Amino acid sequence: DTGVSQDPRHKITKRGQNVTFRCDPISEHNRLYWYRQTLGQGPEFLTYFQNEAQLEKSRLLSDRFSAERPKGSFSTLEIQRTEQGDSAMYLCASSFPPQRNEQFFGPGTRLTVL
Amino acid sequence: GNSVTQMEGPVTLSEEAFLTINCTYTATGYPSLFWYVQYPGEGLQLLLKATKADDKGSNKGFEATYRKETTSFHLEKGSVQVSDSAVYFCALNRDDKIIFGKGTRLHILP
Repeated sequence: DTGVSQDPRHKITKRGQNVTFRCDPISEHNRLYWYRQTLGQGPEFLTYFQNEAQLEKSRLLSDRFSAERPKGSFSTLEIQRTEQGDSAMYLCASSFPPQRNEQFFGPGTRLTVL
Repeated sequence: GNSVTQMEGPVTLSEEAFLTINCTYTATGYPSLFWYVQYPGEGLQLLLKATKADDKGSNKGFEATYRKETTSFHLEKGSVQVSDSAVYFCALNRDDKIIFGKGTRLHILP
């Protein structure tokens, strides 16, 4: 097992375009999290899943953002009508009870909106 | 609300110097506390953790002690190396979400 993977690692898009990112968690982990990290800041929580159920969404997640985890394995994060303010690193993490307070992070997808 | 405050960087030290990065937190109850490290071009890695008061987390020569009375979790290392150059994040886990500080960039000179 190689840990949490994310694809793509980098994405450059024009304002107004839609983008989709993928996260593959560690195989036995049933919780999956999305965070956003802007330059010079720590990561901020966006949303998380337990299996296929989305349990919580942050206020940061506007209605242009949607996340899915259809089969309880990989997850996708879609941003519609991107804005320059969406430029950030999008991080995925996973965890497995009973050690669910420890989350393992992927390398992130860096989004640049021109 | 829950929050983490850590000393601002960048912090520049010479190799073999003693390191302290201060971290304090505000939280209800007794959260787990963490230090994560982000090396250039890499993802976040868990450096160490502590789950209850007076616990000491340690890894790779780094240590931090969960101090409930001062709500602190300061990171220390007795002798830093050039390879320790990275960004360090103090964090807490509350309600299954990790709340991070802003990060402290550490630069070690040979």
